[in-house]
Amino acid sequence: QKEVEQDPGPLSVPEGAIVSLNCTYSNSAFQYFMWYRQYSRKGPELLMYTYSSGNKEDGRFTAQVDKSSKYISLFIRDSQPSDSATYLCAMSSGTSGTYKYIFGTGTRLKVLA
Amino acid sequence: EPEVTQTPSHQVTQMGQEVILRCVPISNHLYFYWYRQILGQKVEFLVSFYNNEISEKSEIFDDQFSVERPDGSNFTLKIRSTKLEDSAMYFCASMRDSYGYTFGSGTRLTVV
Repeated sequence: QKEVEQDPGPLSVPEGAIVSLNCTYSNSAFQYFMWYRQYSRKGPELLMYTYSSGNKEDGRFTAQVDKSSKYISLFIRDSQPSDSATYLCAMSSGTSGTYKYIFGTGTRLKVLA
Repeated sequence: EPEVTQTPSHQVTQMGQEVILRCVPISNHLYFYWYRQILGQKVEFLVSFYNNEISEKSEIFDDQFSVERPDGSNFTLKIRSTKLEDSAMYFCASMRDSYGYTFGSGTRLTVV
C-alpha cells in the first residue's frame, strides 16, 4: 500500500462548482497535512496547512482531516477557471525535526468557463 | 511577500558533468530542503538541512549528491556526475517553523 494515495484525475468541473479533492494515507504517525497548488512547470504553492484532525477554512478553500479514517479533503467553493492546476496533498509526521513531506501524485483540476 | 529564489531556471548538461543548483531561501527561515519531480511523477524528498547539517536524506540522495549552505544565505545542491535519470525539476524549499514550506519556482535540469 502506498504511503499517500491521491486520484490523479483529471477532474473537469464547470465554473462555480464545488470541487472536492481527497487523499488517503497509511502512516498513522502523520500529524501535519498540507495542500499545495502547482501550475505547470512551477513550484508548489501552499494553500492550506492543518495540524492533526479538524477543519480549516480560508476564503473559498476548506481543508478537512479525519485521522481516524486516514483521509484528508480539500473543498473549493465557487470554482474559477484560474483554479485550474494540479493539487498536491502532502503529509509529515514532524518527527526527528526534519518535517519531511510525503506528497501524493497530485490531482489535475480543470475548471471550465 | 518573501520568496525562495532558485537559479538557473533551466540547466542543460552533458552526462557525467557536475552541476550546482542554487537557492536563496527566505532570510529568517531555519529549515531547508531539496525535492525533485521527474516529469509526470510526484514530488520526491531528497534532503533536509537544519542547524548547518543534513538532518535527513532519502535513498535517492547518494554519494553523487551534496548540499552546502556556504554563507548563511545561499543553499546549494551539487550533483557530481550527472546521469540521464537525474533529469527532473529540482525544487528548493524553506520553512521557519512547522507551518508549511515555501517552495522556489524550480530548476529544470536536462541531462543529455
